[in-house]
Amino acid sequence: RKEVEQDPGPFNVPEGATVAFNCTYSNSASQSFFWYRQDCRKEPKLLMSVYSSGNEDGRFTAQLNRASQYISLLIRDSKLSDSATYLCVVRLYNFNKFYFGSGTKLNVKP
Amino acid sequence: NAGVTQTPKFQVLKTGQSMTLQCAQDMNHNSMYWYRQDPGMGLRLIYYSASEGTTDKGEVPNGYNVSRLNKREFSLRLESAAPSQTSVYFCASSPPGTGFYGYTFGSGTRLTVV
Repeated sequence: RKEVEQDPGPFNVPEGATVAFNCTYSNSASQSFFWYRQDCRKEPKLLMSVYSSGNEDGRFTAQLNRASQYISLLIRDSKLSDSATYLCVVRLYNFNKFYFGSGTKLNVKP
Repeated sequence: NAGVTQTPKFQVLKTGQSMTLQCAQDMNHNSMYWYRQDPGMGLRLIYYSASEGTTDKGEVPNGYNVSRLNKREFSLRLESAAPSQTSVYFCASSPPGTGFYGYTFGSGTRLTVV
């Protein structure tokens, strides 16, 4: 079983739409959680950390559900520039390792 | 501030050739990592170095060796390249401690083994 699982998509949405991605993780010892964004043929870049109480950064909202072992990312008022692959990442503190999901592809269309 | 620098950006090797991918970071991070990314597979950890002087295997270490030369530099060596090692390789680093610190990635090395 993979440590982190994501729906690969693609999610095809019109500009201005709200879209949500979920990600599940298998290890309850996971300590830290992140969403990364990866543009085509580029390196992943940190989009936002995910806090236990949930957190928001502009149009982006991240949520963590430890009981069900999933995290989510909500994007409101989608822009063309949001088109990218979104990677879910979890960190196991004791092992100093990060595990990546395979990514969810988002296409925002005019 | 350069962040994480990888060289080369592109490389074509013949089967059986060897090469070393270089990675350097200037953020004073303790931990450094090598990942490979293949279509549909996501990022998979090859080796990591929690601190200077230590290295550990990740998920897919076979066919690779690493050297943590100093705090700044972490190199990945392919001793005898195989077509299965065709991939995009990313180096990353992270600061010490727990908390909400993610990775910083280099821009990647696109390797093709023919």
